[in-house]
Amino acid sequence: DQQVKQNSPSLSVQEGRISILNCDYTNSMFDYFLWYKKYPAEGPTFLISISSIKDKNEDGRFTVFLNKSAKHLSLHIVPSQPGDSAVYFCAARPYNFNKFYFGSGTKLNVKP
Amino acid sequence: NAGVMQNPRHLVRRRGQEARLRCSPVKGHSHVYWYRQLPEEGLKFMVYLQKENIIDESGMPKERFSAEFPKEGPSILRIQQVVRGDSAAYFCASSPDRGNTEAFFGQGTRLTVV
Repeated sequence: DQQVKQNSPSLSVQEGRISILNCDYTNSMFDYFLWYKKYPAEGPTFLISISSIKDKNEDGRFTVFLNKSAKHLSLHIVPSQPGDSAVYFCAARPYNFNKFYFGSGTKLNVKP
Repeated sequence: NAGVMQNPRHLVRRRGQEARLRCSPVKGHSHVYWYRQLPEEGLKFMVYLQKENIIDESGMPKERFSAEFPKEGPSILRIQQVVRGDSAAYFCASSPDRGNTEAFFGQGTRLTVV
């Protein structure tokens, strides 16, 4: 029962261009959404989050968009840099339960 | 301000042995989560614990796996009679009681069963 889905296992982007990573969810109880970045042999690190009362949150080169009606969120990275190459996981948490549900990840490759 | 500490970082066990993975959460965090990442796969939820209580173990295999988070000391994930299929990276995360905050992850324990 995959409640958070990342349908693109990989994405390749040229340095300087925009990277758009997508995530869909099914549980309408989710009210807090997060993106994590993971390098090989390391633990995931938090990148950016958004509460369901917002539809956009920006932090430097990273922006997360939330479309509640479509149950869809996306992460935009502009401009993309080679150091952004990693696996990106989206995650969600319901308002009434402190458990985080993760997608399967998207491997981003930013080419120099 | 130490983050989530997991040890050991690497663990090699022979088939049939026991594996014990330890996780010390961020100081003040009372929620602990364990995830498993098989090669070329995503993060699979295993168990969610609060101090002395298992809240959700829906991702734990029914046999050989157990987890605890005692009042004092680290959280322990125990795998008895390990098999080759248990080889994976095991990640622990912790979060505080309230508020919209993220879960913080440790560096993981890479278990290899030979």
